Amino acid sequence: GAVVSQHPSWVICKSGTSVKIECRSLDFQATTMFWYRQFPKQSLMLMATSNEGSKATYEQGVEKDKFLINHASLTLSTLTVTSAHPEDSSFYICSALGRTLTEAFFGQGTRLTVV
Amino acid sequence: AQKVTQAQTEISVVEKEDVTLDCVYETRDTTYYLFWYKQPPSGELVFLIRRNSFDEQNEISGRYSWNFQKSTSSFNFTITASQVVDSAVYFCALISSGTYKYIFGTGTRLKVLA
Repeated sequence: GAVVSQHPSWVICKSGTSVKIECRSLDFQATTMFWYRQFPKQSLMLMATSNEGSKATYEQGVEKDKFLINHASLTLSTLTVTSAHPEDSSFYICSALGRTLTEAFFGQGTRLTVV
Repeated sequence: AQKVTQAQTEISVVEKEDVTLDCVYETRDTTYYLFWYKQPPSGELVFLIRRNSFDEQNEISGRYSWNFQKSTSSFNFTITASQVVDSAVYFCALISSGTYKYIFGTGTRLKVLA
C-alpha cells in the first residue's frame, strides 16, 4: 500500500511557541491531504483539507490563523500550530490521497504536548 | 448528513472469546466506502478492511470477519478467539466517493484479558 510518513512522532513545546508537523507521501503524489485531531479517548475529527497549490479548507470551528496548513508540493503538507497552548495538546494525524488512489492513507500521527 | 455510530464504548472479554464490534452508518450517497481501523496505544491507525457500497459480500481474514448489510446500514466486525494483542481501540469509518473525507465513529475500546 501507499506510504505516508509523518514527522515528528511526538513533540513537547512551551506554551506560546509554534510547532510544525510534516506529512509526506513517500511513493505517490498526494493531490489532497487531510489533517485530523484526536483528543484523548475521543474520535478523530477532521480539521482541514488541503489541495496542492491551493489554500486549505477548514472545518467549522477550526481556527485557520492558528493552524496553518501548507501544501506546496505533491508530496509534502505541513501543519503549523502557532502560539500553542496546553489545550492544543492532542494527537494530530494526516492522510493523503493520490490521483489514482481510491482511499486516503494515514500517517503515523504526531503527539503534541504543550507545557 | 453522514454519520457513523459505534454504540459500544468499551468491551472487555476473556482471551479466546469471540467478540463483535458494531457499526451503523448513515449516508444519502449511493457510492461510499466503509472501513475498519485498529488503533493500538502507539496511536497509528492500522488499516483492517475496506468495503465499497456495491459489495455486500462478507469477508473473512484469519480470525477477523466482517458482516456488511445495507438493509440495516451496518458493518459489524467480529474477532474470533480473541487474543490479548487484539486489545486496542477500533474505529469504523465512512467516506463518500468524491470527497474522501473520513467520517469516523467514536470508536470501541476492546480489552482482551488473559
